[in-house]
Amino acid sequence: EPEVTQTPSHQVTQMGQEVILRCVPISNHLYFYWYRQILGQKVEFLVSFYNNEISEKSEIFDDQFSVERPDGSNFTLKIRSTKLEDSAMYFCASATVYGGELFFGEGSRLTVL
Amino acid sequence: TQLLEQSPQFLSIQEGENLTVYCNSSSVFSSLQWYRQEPGEGPVLLVTVVTGGEVKKLKRLTFQFGDARKDSSLHITAAQPGDTGLYLCAGALWGNKLVFGAGTILRVKS
Repeated sequence: EPEVTQTPSHQVTQMGQEVILRCVPISNHLYFYWYRQILGQKVEFLVSFYNNEISEKSEIFDDQFSVERPDGSNFTLKIRSTKLEDSAMYFCASATVYGGELFFGEGSRLTVL
Repeated sequence: TQLLEQSPQFLSIQEGENLTVYCNSSSVFSSLQWYRQEPGEGPVLLVTVVTGGEVKKLKRLTFQFGDARKDSSLHITAAQPGDTGLYLCAGALWGNKLVFGAGTILRVKS
């Protein structure tokens, strides 16, 4: 069964370092998303991506964040200079159609020290 | 401001009992989805409801979308320990973005 895969499963980094989280969405999906979940808190929308550009982003997704689909299969989330409060589980998701069901990856846990 | 209010936040019941989880908003959603999330994993979709008033059943789980597409409920009949987990509702705003409720932690004791 096709699935969304994410790497790494867990990353520990020092504050101020750059981090890249990688996702491979399901191959025939066209819409891509990043969500995050701080421990014990709700799942929060970060950004949606379609047709090689950001279609929507939340106020969390500031200038320190960027997304890219470099090669037609990977979908990456970059945090340029991590802060302690960036520590969270980051989920990638993809969908086939506009307004359709999201399929989530298992998440990448980011710990910023 | 919580766009989606989910209640209760925590529910502990005995095996065989029934329960209902509620998801309420002042916003109208194009669809509403229910997910279940296990610790350390991503949310897994249970069901999507699209039409106001729609009712969907998934074995012992019954999902209902309010007539005005602003609220939804999840009802579990005869809960089992295997139903234990975090249940999330998520509303799709016009634009494909999902907004999640805070989740309901369900614990079913045998």
